[in-house]
Amino acid sequence: AQKVTQAQTEISVVEKEDVTLDCVYETRDTTYYLFWYKQPPSGELVFLIRRNSFDEQNEISGRYSWNFQKSTSSFNFTITASQVVDSAVYFCALSENKAAGNKLTFGGGTRVLVKP
Amino acid sequence: ETGVTQTPRHLVMGMTNKKSLKCEQHLGHNAMYWYKQSAKKPLELMFVYSLEERVENNSVPSRFSPECPNSSHLFLHLHTLQPEDSALYLCASSHNERSSQYFGPGTRLTVL
Repeated sequence: AQKVTQAQTEISVVEKEDVTLDCVYETRDTTYYLFWYKQPPSGELVFLIRRNSFDEQNEISGRYSWNFQKSTSSFNFTITASQVVDSAVYFCALSENKAAGNKLTFGGGTRVLVKP
Repeated sequence: ETGVTQTPRHLVMGMTNKKSLKCEQHLGHNAMYWYKQSAKKPLELMFVYSLEERVENNSVPSRFSPECPNSSHLFLHLHTLQPEDSALYLCASSHNERSSQYFGPGTRLTVL
């Protein structure tokens, strides 16, 4: 069975600091997808990134960057120069390459609090 | 117009009530999903519909009954719920079963 672990339940930083969110996953599949979602206080899950298991290139999008390390089964997320608007709960998720149904398994989430 | 909308945003119901949650997607997607987010549990997938056909039922009690009349609409019919069913219910859609999912704002359900 697949599993996603986000060991950090809450991180508090001061604005402009960098923050890294850890995500470790378990799966028996050789083909799978990894995701990060942001959940602001409004409740909506906002899609941030999807990465397939064959693409280990790190990715940067503005202040966001992702570090995929297949050898350690980790898909960490860094917010550079954090802002108050980054305060939210961030979820890492895993999807196996199933033919029927895109079953996302979510981690427990990491709450990020950015103080001014 | 937002991609995935859910109504109502908040719902309070008694254990003997019958209510329905509605989800609508404006993205032209073919797959839709219901998730449950409780205070102390990770997000749990409840149901998956692909091309209006249910393809996954994740051991959800029968007091939750989904309906997908077309690829743009998804309902979750609720009856005789328990207080432990209080949670945020999130709807999502994706282009197909292997594409990234986009979520609605959720319905905050409280069962008294």
